[in-house]
Amino acid sequence: EAQVTQNPRYLITVTGKKLTVTCSQNMNHEYMSWYRQDPGLGLRQIYYSMNVEVTDKGDVPEGYKVSRKEKRNFPLILESPSPNQTSLYFCASSLQGAGEKLFFGSGTQLSVL
Amino acid sequence: GQNIDQPTEMTATEGAIVQINCTYQTSGFNGLFWYQQHAGEAPTFLSYNVLDGLEEKGRFSSFLSRSKGYSYLLLKELQMKDSASYLCAVRDQTGANNLFFGTGTRLTVIP
Repeated sequence: EAQVTQNPRYLITVTGKKLTVTCSQNMNHEYMSWYRQDPGLGLRQIYYSMNVEVTDKGDVPEGYKVSRKEKRNFPLILESPSPNQTSLYFCASSLQGAGEKLFFGSGTQLSVL
Repeated sequence: GQNIDQPTEMTATEGAIVQINCTYQTSGFNGLFWYQQHAGEAPTFLSYNVLDGLEEKGRFSSFLSRSKGYSYLLLKELQMKDSASYLCAVRDQTGANNLFFGTGTRLTVIP
């Protein structure tokens, strides 16, 4: 089944403890992206990747890192999480770019205490 | 920059028709998407408009007027399962494939 797989689904952590949220897609998509969704603010893009080893900042990249060593994987890394990074995170992919239909992962609800 | 406006909440009756509006201001418009998002779930693609006019897909239709910076999503024969948030997203060609989302409209369908 074609899908974007995100893990974990829920995560509670403490300030400063490094964490990684994994994202994997099995559709051979070139484009992958991370969003965060907050009440009243909608979906905001954190980072995106047009292809392997090519990543770029979105609207809210501060405090996050990404890597794209393989086409299928696009992990999101929080080196030193802070409470303002408490949010619902979505990974998404598309065949070639953000201008195409996006397929979203099921989301990661992160709470930073 | 981009400015995308949608109503925050709407309520409609089962079996009725509802229209969800989206207005936008963007420097390099290059397409508009509608996504549906049920509570606690991921957004799923509904429609895409890049030219003016109406795109119909079953019970759902989406309209675009580029000169007015306006789109709407029309849902006919509403069902209870249509209760969800509907996200308008605008593609801006001035950036590298940038896609900007509105804050979404939460639709509640009542019996």
